Amino acid sequence: QVQLVQSGAEVKKPGASVKVSCKASRYTFIDYYIHWVRQAPGQGFEWMGRINPHSGGTNYAQNFQGRVTMTRETSISTAYMELTRLTSDDTAVYYCAREVGITVWFDTWGQGTLVTVSS
Amino acid sequence: SYELTQPLSVSVALGQTARITCGGNNIGSKNVHWYQQKPGQAPVLVIYRDSYRTSGIPERFSGSNSGNTATLTISRAQAGDEADYYCQVWDTSPVLFGGGTKLTVL
Repeated sequence: QVQLVQSGAEVKKPGASVKVSCKASRYTFIDYYIHWVRQAPGQGFEWMGRINPHSGGTNYAQNFQGRVTMTRETSISTAYMELTRLTSDDTAVYYCAREVGITVWFDTWGQGTLVTVSS
Repeated sequence: SYELTQPLSVSVALGQTARITCGGNNIGSKNVHWYQQKPGQAPVLVIYRDSYRTSGIPERFSGSNSGNTATLTISRAQAGDEADYYCQVWDTSPVLFGGGTKLTVL
């Protein structure tokens, strides 16, 4: 079935950047938006933004404007999320998810990538 | 900005019916989607567009949406239904999630 597989856990120092990948399989990658959502420990979900894999166009949440960049490599069906100027508040599990439907829901999620920011 | 409000926790006796609410201003005019998340796992889509069940989700799960409240109903609750449940809407960018409800099956 449709699958999203993310890169492994990361440990970063404050001020550094992190880039997480999300490889899609068993569907046509360019046909569905990919979103990024994070979940801090013990907390709910925070939407970060989305990318149109066909055009590369992006929409970012206001909270992350200027710090997040979402890209894709269509030849390998992979989306990327890079977050810069990390602080301890960015410690979270980062998920990619496939958008379906005109009113936007997520039928497939990646397994999550834990990013720990610590000095 | 638009907000979604969920109770922090809901408890239900084994075999009884649990109702998890998601409140928002005129939420009935939006499509609401529900996710189940078990500890250490990624979320799973349970209900989309208010009341459509995802393939593989038991018929015991149902959804409704009207006025200022959307509701996820779990009938004949089982121990395996214990999880966190989140509602979600699309508000012309951004995507919004409720704060989540922890369902405990007693």
